[in-house]
Amino acid sequence: EIVLTQSPGTLSLSPGDGATLSCRASQSVSSNYLAWYQHKPGQAPRLLIYRASSRATGIPDRFSGSGSGTDFTLTISRLEPEDFAVYYCQQYSSSPLWTFGQGTKLEIK
Amino acid sequence: EVQLVESGGGLVQPGGSLRLSCAASGFTFGTYAMSWVRQAPGKGLEWVSFISGSGSGTYYADSVKGRFIISRDNSKNTLYLQMNSLRVEDTAAYYCAKAGSSWAYFDGWGQGTLVTVSS
Repeated sequence: EIVLTQSPGTLSLSPGDGATLSCRASQSVSSNYLAWYQHKPGQAPRLLIYRASSRATGIPDRFSGSGSGTDFTLTISRLEPEDFAVYYCQQYSSSPLWTFGQGTKLEIK
Repeated sequence: EVQLVESGGGLVQPGGSLRLSCAASGFTFGTYAMSWVRQAPGKGLEWVSFISGSGSGTYYADSVKGRFIISRDNSKNTLYLQMNSLRVEDTAAYYCAKAGSSWAYFDGWGQGTLVTVSS
């Protein structure tokens, strides 16, 4: 089973700042099947990025994903107030099996 | 627009059973695989179970294998999760999620239904 480790656990930033969130896999993620989600309390999670770098429908271009193999990054440029939330990475591997990272909380400084 | 509405959560004693439902609209339900994902209080997201569009393929996390059963009724656009032999550690918000065409990610989610297992 591939384990995903996200860092940092909490990120304190101000609106207008840029954010860099990391997701490291214990083994190589095949076909770059790595996705990122945003989750706010009491709301449905929202897909932001799939296949490591493709933006989902309706996602603003200030969100971008990069990486391959075992190291992946979600970058948010120019943070808006609505961007403060918990972010999860998720991978898909053969078995099939889906696993999530433990999350990064992006909070207002 | 994809809409997923979960129901059926509640309070149940350890060892009890519960059936969750997820009503889907806004897309051709039978064409897409579906999944259940849960979030225990104060914890992150955990994948629980997955079913193919036809219902012929089902998959489970080790933590629920042998106790939970996922199913779907494509004529009713509804996904189900039958949860048996419930444990305290199954307490969580349960979300249904629509899989993308490659099965690798989930591009639509419901708002969740809360299951509490307690005596």
